Amino acid sequence: EAQVTQNPRYLITVTGKKLTVTCSQNMNHEYMSWYRQDPGLGLRQIYYSMNVEVTDKGDVPEGYKVSRKEKRNFPLILESPSPNQTSLYFCASSTPRGGGEKLFFGSGTQLSVL
Amino acid sequence: QKEVEQNSGPLSVPEGAIASLNCTYSDRVSQSFFWYRQYSGKSPELIMSIYSNGDKEDGRFTAQLNKASQYVSLLIRDSQPSDSATYLCAVGNNFGNEKLTFGTGTRLTIIP
Repeated sequence: EAQVTQNPRYLITVTGKKLTVTCSQNMNHEYMSWYRQDPGLGLRQIYYSMNVEVTDKGDVPEGYKVSRKEKRNFPLILESPSPNQTSLYFCASSTPRGGGEKLFFGSGTQLSVL
Repeated sequence: QKEVEQNSGPLSVPEGAIASLNCTYSDRVSQSFFWYRQYSGKSPELIMSIYSNGDKEDGRFTAQLNKASQYVSLLIRDSQPSDSATYLCAVGNNFGNEKLTFGTGTRLTIIP
């Protein structure tokens, strides 16, 4: 089954404790992206990657890191989480070019930073 | 900073009626336009994409694009209770998904 898998689904942590949210897709997609979703602010792009070893900042990259060592994986790293990073996070993937691409989203990770 | 504006709603529509959702965007060079549906507690799913001025129909859904007015809309005909969800408008600056900007979404409720 074609899917984007995010883990964990829920995460509660404390300020400053490094964490990683994993994202993996099995569709051989070149493009992968991370978004955060907050009430009243909608979905905002954190980082995206057009292919292996190619990443770029989205609209809200501060406090986050990403890496794209393999095509299928695109982990999101919070080196020193802060309470303002409490949010619902989505990973997504698609083919990068051509009309009508569909973004495939993971199930989301609800992160709470205390 | 690119902006995509949507009325947050809630928008209530009787079952069987036409639901009309609107979206405006600020970046004149935007090329790609998408409507995603998001049920409560779930991830967004694409329902329509449109790239050229005019209408694009897919089943009960019609997307309308007017680049001169920087306006994109989604019409849902014969609304069903299962259409109750939040609808996200997304705008891209290329024929791809890099730096897609999403609106905050319109919450639609279909009243039986």
